[in-house]
Amino acid sequence: IAGITQAPTSQILAAGRRMTLRCTQDMRHNAMYWYRQDLGLGLRLIHYSNTAGTTGKGEVPDGYSVSRANTDDFPLTLASAVPSQTSVYFCASSEQGGVYNEQFFGPGTRLTVL
Amino acid sequence: GENVEQHPSTLSVQEGDSAVIKCTYSDSASNYFPWYKQELGKRPQLIIDIRSNVGEKKDQRIAVTLNKTAKHFSLHITETQPEDSAVYFCAASSSYQLIWGAGTKLIIKP
Repeated sequence: IAGITQAPTSQILAAGRRMTLRCTQDMRHNAMYWYRQDLGLGLRLIHYSNTAGTTGKGEVPDGYSVSRANTDDFPLTLASAVPSQTSVYFCASSEQGGVYNEQFFGPGTRLTVL
Repeated sequence: GENVEQHPSTLSVQEGDSAVIKCTYSDSASNYFPWYKQELGKRPQLIIDIRSNVGEKKDQRIAVTLNKTAKHFSLHITETQPEDSAVYFCAASSSYQLIWGAGTKLIIKP
C-alpha cells in the first residue's frame, strides 16, 4: 500500500441497505477525514478524526457514522442508505489535525443509491 | 458559519493566456486559504496555500493573493498550459475544518 486507498471504487446500492466504505492509509498520519463531493457543491466534510480513538462531526454528518480503532483505518458507514447519499466519497488524511496541514486524498468511491 | 463562494464555475482561456479564479469568504476569523487541483477522474491535490498574515504567495506559474479587508482571495495562473486543465477548489478555514468552494472548471483551449 502506498499513500491512501479506498474500497470499493464504485458501488450501486439499494435504498435501505447498509454500506461501509473503507479507507486505509500507510503514512502514519494522525488525522483522517471523509468528504462527499457533489456537482456544484464542492467538497463537504462528513466526519473527521484527529487521532486514533477520537472522531468528530463535520458539516454534513447525518446518516453517516465512523470509527477510528487504529491509525491506519477510517471506515464510513451508511446505516440505511437513501438516494440523497448518491455521491463521490473521498477519504483524506493529514499529518496532524487542524486546518493548516495538507490533506492527502484517496482515489474516491462513487456510490449510487437507487 | 463560514460560507465560501467561488467564481466563475467554468473558465475557458487560450493556451498561454492567464487565468484568474476568485473566492470570497464570510468569516473574518478565517486565516488559512488553500487551493486544490482536481484533474478529471483524479483526486484533489494541494497546489498552493496562503495564511492571513501574507498578502501574496507565488510558486512558479501560480500565485495566490489575499485581501482580508474585502474577504476575498484569488488564484492566478500565468502562461497556461494544457496540463492546467482541471477543476480548482478554494477553501477557507473555519474553526476545526475547511469550508470549500464549489469549484471552477478550467478549460485550456489550444
